[in-house]
Amino acid sequence: GAGVSQTPSNKVTEKGKYVELRCDPISGHTALYWYRQSLGQGPEFLIYFQGTGAADDSGLPNDRFFAVRPEGSVSTLKIQRTERGDSAVYLCASSWTSGLNEQYFGPGTRLTVT
Amino acid sequence: SQQGEEDPQALSIQEGENATMNCSYKTSINNLQWYRQNSGRGLVHLILIRSNEREKHSGRLRVTLDTSKKSSSLLITASRAADTASYFCATVPSGYSTLTFGKGTMLLVSP
Repeated sequence: GAGVSQTPSNKVTEKGKYVELRCDPISGHTALYWYRQSLGQGPEFLIYFQGTGAADDSGLPNDRFFAVRPEGSVSTLKIQRTERGDSAVYLCASSWTSGLNEQYFGPGTRLTVT
Repeated sequence: SQQGEEDPQALSIQEGENATMNCSYKTSINNLQWYRQNSGRGLVHLILIRSNEREKHSGRLRVTLDTSKKSSSLLITASRAADTASYFCATVPSGYSTLTFGKGTMLLVSP
């Protein structure tokens, strides 16, 4: 079956612009996660959805970052007024039920803010 | 913030040799997981070990967990060039449902 997919694979935007990153999880997975990975670092947790609701958004760095999952499947990570420091690979993962299980990662979206 | 620390940061070996990577963490955990990442993208889950388990095997992989020392090790036996990748340990801290990753170990296996 299909794995986790993310679009776009690459996004270049100018400082101050708004971007949306999309994640399609594995069908049937109720848990969905967003991570951010900078060069030479491990992924850093941003937000976790259980169904349609954000169960834990403690990793979002500030109020410029927001994510939705309106129907409990596809999720969109939204970044307003982008800054150069937002440049990173944004990874999405999904899992059965909760984070106590293994997570399946998508290929990521490489965001570059110029 | 990152909970785990992998050691070494980089490891270079020849095909056929064994590779051992270590991970230390700071808080009590539900489970610890190891992931592999090629070319800076797409993490692949390798193995999950629960806090009440001490050792787990999967093919050429062997993982140990010592909760008293808050540490884990990943052993890859009979390594292959295709094992070249970054390896990350990630913990699910007690009371949470999300992964906290370390910085990873870069493994280079030369033919």
